[in-house]
Amino acid sequence: QKEVEQDPGPLSVPEGAIVSLNCTYSNSAFQYFMWYRQYSRKGPELLMYTYSSGNKEDGRFTAQVDKSSKYISLFIRDSQPSDSATYLCAIDERNTGFQKLVFGTGTRLLVSP
Amino acid sequence: DSGVTQTPKHLITATGQRVTLRCSPRSGDLSVYWYQQSLDQGLQFLIQYYNGEERAKGNILERFSAQQFPDLHSELNLSSLELGDSALYFCASSPSTGNNEQFFGPGTRLTVL
Repeated sequence: QKEVEQDPGPLSVPEGAIVSLNCTYSNSAFQYFMWYRQYSRKGPELLMYTYSSGNKEDGRFTAQVDKSSKYISLFIRDSQPSDSATYLCAIDERNTGFQKLVFGTGTRLLVSP
Repeated sequence: DSGVTQTPKHLITATGQRVTLRCSPRSGDLSVYWYQQSLDQGLQFLIQYYNGEERAKGNILERFSAQQFPDLHSELNLSSLELGDSALYFCASSPSTGNNEQFFGPGTRLTVL
């Protein structure tokens, strides 16, 4: 079993839709969770970062962590064509103070005008 | 633009050869991370350096090695190349080892024929 599982998609939605992207993870000790966005032919960029359980909101984006289910989600409200990208969840495996990210394989999102 | 530069952008080589990928971190960042991204494995952490010293290792093959120089730039050396080494190689940097945001470069696309 992979440490982080993510549906590869693609996920196709019309402009304005609410998008839900999800990942599951295997190790209940993980505490730091991130979402990265990667446009085609570019490096990933950090979108959201959360620590422990709960919700975090930033504009149209909400990150949610459910540690009891080992499930993390990213919600995008009022999706735009510019949101079309691959979204990677990442978990920080750190246990010695040094960050060590484990990424999901990414979900490709297509938002059509 | 993340401020992280990687050269070359593209590299085409033959099996059995050796190549060197170069990364310049953002100004002031002491930590450099190397990742491999392939279609089947996703983004995989290879190795991390902090201020010239190796700090964390991921799924890095013995044929691969890296170093960070006094000016903080880093090089990833890949030797005895195999077809399966074809992938995107990303470098990321952050100010410290525990910082939660890694800034990714544009990547080097390696094709092994």
